[in-house]
Amino acid sequence: KNQVEQSPQSLIILEGKNCTLQCNYTVSPFSNLRWYKQDTGRGPVSLTIMTFSENTKSNGRYTATLDADTKQSSLHITASQLSDSASYICVVSSGSYQLTFGKGTKLSVIP
Amino acid sequence: DGGITQSPKYLFRKEGQNVTLSCEQNLNHDAMYWYRQDPGQGLRLIYYSQIVNDFQKGDIAEGYSVSREKKESFPLTVTSAQKNPTAFYLCASSIRDGSYGYTFGSGTRLTVV
Repeated sequence: KNQVEQSPQSLIILEGKNCTLQCNYTVSPFSNLRWYKQDTGRGPVSLTIMTFSENTKSNGRYTATLDADTKQSSLHITASQLSDSASYICVVSSGSYQLTFGKGTKLSVIP
Repeated sequence: DGGITQSPKYLFRKEGQNVTLSCEQNLNHDAMYWYRQDPGQGLRLIYYSQIVNDFQKGDIAEGYSVSREKKESFPLTVTSAQKNPTAFYLCASSIRDGSYGYTFGSGTRLTVV
């Protein structure tokens, strides 16, 4: 069964600090891995999409890494802002219309 | 502005009633999807449609129905057969099979009263 595990479940950090969220997956076959940001009561918004051959992809203060050998990905947030408070969801695609969603990491950035 | 619009944002249903959630997109995307999100769980696929007049069941289709009469619209009906309908419902769309990512709507929160 395809699975995506995210850690930690929740995280509280001070404004301005960095943090790293983890995603481990057992999905086969692998097509791509995506990170989404979801504000409370809103739909997810795409941050990055990474294919098998990509190790790192950045989007502003967000940097995602992918290790396809160990089936691990991370999302690093630099110089956090209050607006970064949200749930971050890791999603792995195994082909056309086949997505497996993680449960998300809830990040709270406090002043 | 191109986007995907869900309405209403909040919906209350009495037990035994059917309700329909609206999803409209002006992105000219071929595929559309309905997901259900429950607290502490990942999104689960209800139905998806690759083209007009065609749709496929997802992992949790029981108690739900859809139609795709227009490319822009993909309404979801939550029927009285759905025993636990209280949830956050998300509609999404994509170019072809979604390899380039999905665009999500802002969601509809359905509560059974």
